Amino acid sequence: QLQLQESGPGLVKPSETLSLTCTVSGGSVSSSNYFWSWSRQPPGKGLEWIASIYYNGNTYYNPSLGSRVTISADTSKNQFSLTLSSVTAADTAVYFCARRSPILVVHYLDFWGQGTLVTVSS
Amino acid sequence: DIPLTQSPSFLSAFVGDRVTITCRATQGINTYLAWYQLKPGKAPKLLIYGASTLQSGVPSRFSGSGSGTEFTLTISNLQPEDFATYYCLQVKSYPLTFGGGTKVEIK
Repeated sequence: QLQLQESGPGLVKPSETLSLTCTVSGGSVSSSNYFWSWSRQPPGKGLEWIASIYYNGNTYYNPSLGSRVTISADTSKNQFSLTLSSVTAADTAVYFCARRSPILVVHYLDFWGQGTLVTVSS
Repeated sequence: DIPLTQSPSFLSAFVGDRVTITCRATQGINTYLAWYQLKPGKAPKLLIYGASTLQSGVPSRFSGSGSGTEFTLTISNLQPEDFATYYCLQVKSYPLTFGGGTKVEIK
């Protein structure tokens, strides 16, 4: 059974860098044809896709976050990570990691972690 | 970007009711649309993909339809465990985009 678990600091100071890790069990981040993704949900707001990394290392980002975002994978630890630099209060959100699986030719986010709340505050 | 507009943003219904949520895309996305259920503190759950295909394990009271720019999620015979927030997601092109969400509450 695939499980995804987000981890990282729950509190980050403004202008600093947010770093989160998603640990994958019951599956492999190097499995062919799968993407691994991050999304977030600010308090009281909707979901926003942040970034995805393909099994071959190709990365895809939401332009709304500019160059502040980096997604990476560590196959030796079966983890993938998100870093978001120069954070502000607007980056306060529940951050979710998820797998994107090939279904009917396209890839859908089919398995998600429970999410981790990150608050940006001094 | 392909913004998705969901309506209504909130609905109140009784157990046993049939409810319908609409998701509209600003341009055609074929059937590259999914629906998710979110509950606080839980992992989001994939309900429907390909606009109309039920994910394994999802009760048959959930159904989806549509293609192009207009899509619907219908929940027949609403159950207590269905009170949650629902989101549509387009996967036709980057950036992936979600609808604004529909919160379904008990009347």
